[in-house]
Amino acid sequence: AQSVTQLGSHVSVSEGALVLLRCNYSSSVPPYLFWYVQYPNQGLQLLLKYTTGATLVKGINGFEAEFKKSETSFHLTKPSAHMSDAAEYFCAVSEGSNYQLIWGAGTKLIIKP
Amino acid sequence: NAGVTQTPKFQVLKTGQSMTLQCAQDMNHNSMYWYRQDPGMGLRLIYYSASEGTTDKGEVPNGYNVSRLNKREFSLRLESAAPSQTSVYFCASSELQSSSYNSPLHFGNGTRLTVT
Repeated sequence: AQSVTQLGSHVSVSEGALVLLRCNYSSSVPPYLFWYVQYPNQGLQLLLKYTTGATLVKGINGFEAEFKKSETSFHLTKPSAHMSDAAEYFCAVSEGSNYQLIWGAGTKLIIKP
Repeated sequence: NAGVTQTPKFQVLKTGQSMTLQCAQDMNHNSMYWYRQDPGMGLRLIYYSASEGTTDKGEVPNGYNVSRLNKREFSLRLESAAPSQTSVYFCASSELQSSSYNSPLHFGNGTRLTVT
């Protein structure tokens, strides 16, 4: 069965520092991979996605993620954190014919001034 | 652009009461979904509707029913609310079924439900 593991329920970084949010998945076939972001009191919105092709994927707001098949990882990074990046980030994977998403538990990103 | 609209935003129920959560989308999407979000558990799919006229169970359907009223509207009903159903409920839509790579999910802002 597919699963998604996000390491760290909370990650705290200083403004201007590198952001690294970790996501590992289990899948028996090449998956589709997604990162969604949830700002306080809002629904989720798509940040970026990997389907096929280039393994380094760029998303909105300066975020990017790299698909590493050998490590079954899809970590999210941003070179320089901004206060507006404070939110909860969810990694998700889908595979197979029904394309249902399997979600990680989420990582809350805290930005320290 | 309204996108996905959920009502109500907040609701408090007593155990055993019933209620319906409403969801409407104005993007002409074919597929609609109901998720619940609980701390530390990510999102769990309750029911989905791949297209108008069809509904299917997701991961946690027990205690819920759904109706795809038309292409725009997808409602979630709790017939006899239980404290375990205290959660934040999200409706989402996508152009095509679920997470096929060309069809990201578009979410509403959620309904916060408390069952006492």
